[in-house]
Amino acid sequence: DIQLTQSPSFLSASVGDRVSITCRASQGISRYLAWYQQKPGKAPKVLIYGASTLQSGVPSRFSGSGSGTEFTLTVSNLQPEDFATYYCQHLYSYPLTFGGGTTVEI
Amino acid sequence: EEQLLESGGGLVQPGGSLRLSCAASGFNFRTYAMSWVRQAPGRGLEWVSVFGGKSETTHYADSVKGRFTISRDNSKNTLYLQMDSLRAEDTAMYYCARVQPTAVGAFDLWGLGTMVTVSS
Repeated sequence: DIQLTQSPSFLSASVGDRVSITCRASQGISRYLAWYQQKPGKAPKVLIYGASTLQSGVPSRFSGSGSGTEFTLTVSNLQPEDFATYYCQHLYSYPLTFGGGTTVEI
Repeated sequence: EEQLLESGGGLVQPGGSLRLSCAASGFNFRTYAMSWVRQAPGRGLEWVSVFGGKSETTHYADSVKGRFTISRDNSKNTLYLQMDSLRAEDTAMYYCARVQPTAVGAFDLWGLGTMVTVSS
């Protein structure tokens, strides 16, 4: 099974900051990676798919990069509504897995 | 409006069974693969199972294989998850999610979730 390791687990930031979250896969997954945002008590929401394609309706301050085993989610000009938990997910083969999550807090 | 609505959660004793439903609306349900994802209280997301669209193939996480069965009724636009031999560690919010029909995929539509509690 493919394992996804996110870092950091927690990230303290301020409005206007640029933050980056890393997701490392235990084996190559090409670009079969998605990023999600989840707020407390809510369902996750997809931000990025195919490692770098922005989902329709998602602000352009979110961006994704990487391929193979290392991926990055970057949020530029952090806004108050961006304080949430972020998860990566691979869709390369079954079983699908999610990373452990990164909580971005003030 | 595209929407997924889960139901069927509740309190069940260890060893018991429960069937979750996910009613879809606002899109051509039969053409999409659909999945279940769960989240234990205070924990991260865990993929549970998927039912293909046209392929009708199914896959499961090792943690539920042999105990859970995913199915769908396209005439009712509904996805199901039959959960048997439930354990305390199955306690979680269960979400259904639509699989985006792109080459690389993603879960692009999620329901609000239904809570399953396994406890005596």
